[in-house]
Amino acid sequence: DVKVTQSSRYLVKRTGEKVFLECVQDMDHENMFWYRQDPGLGLRLIYFSYDVKMKEKGDIPEGYSVSREKKERFSLILESASTNQTSMYLCASKEAGTGVSAKNIQYFGAGTRLSVL
Amino acid sequence: LAKTTQPISMDSYEGQEVNITCSHNNIATNDYITWYQQFPSQGPRFIIQGYKTKVTNEVASLFIPADRKSSTLSLPRVSLSDTAVYYCLVGDISAAGNKLTFGGGTRVLVKP
Repeated sequence: DVKVTQSSRYLVKRTGEKVFLECVQDMDHENMFWYRQDPGLGLRLIYFSYDVKMKEKGDIPEGYSVSREKKERFSLILESASTNQTSMYLCASKEAGTGVSAKNIQYFGAGTRLSVL
Repeated sequence: LAKTTQPISMDSYEGQEVNITCSHNNIATNDYITWYQQFPSQGPRFIIQGYKTKVTNEVASLFIPADRKSSTLSLPRVSLSDTAVYYCLVGDISAAGNKLTFGGGTRVLVKP
């Protein structure tokens, strides 16, 4: 089974702190994703990466950056945390694939609930 | 990316079949349709995926008409533990990164 591990289930940080959320997957997947989930808004994509050192902005990248130095690890960075970044953060991974025969299945971690005070 | 529309919530009773329909009018040729299930305080979990016609696995069935502009997830004989949010997604599997877009999901409540 694919395992996606997020380093923390719960985090409490103060406004202005630099925050690192870590995600590790064990299936040698090329693609990794960071989402945030808020009540009434569903999941929204922050950033994704389709290879080591490659990244692309998702729908809501403002206030975030990412790092992918190794294939198995994808980090989300809040440079200066703000209260509006209080949310559930979800990491996912997926194997690469193109063409209609590819499986477009994302495997998610358990999530990190971040509170910024 | 194809936008999806699905009901906000549905109620059902144990033992009944639950059908959730998702509209995706601008689905593209290379898009797959995928459904996820999410329990509170957990990440979404893959349920089923299809491209056309019918797909069935041990958990659910997915019905996709010929025009692919909608799809229906069918959960047979639900139990209380099927109470969750169900997301319908369409994704372009031909592009690098294969980004998926999650809509608001359907909250299914199974009652005793």
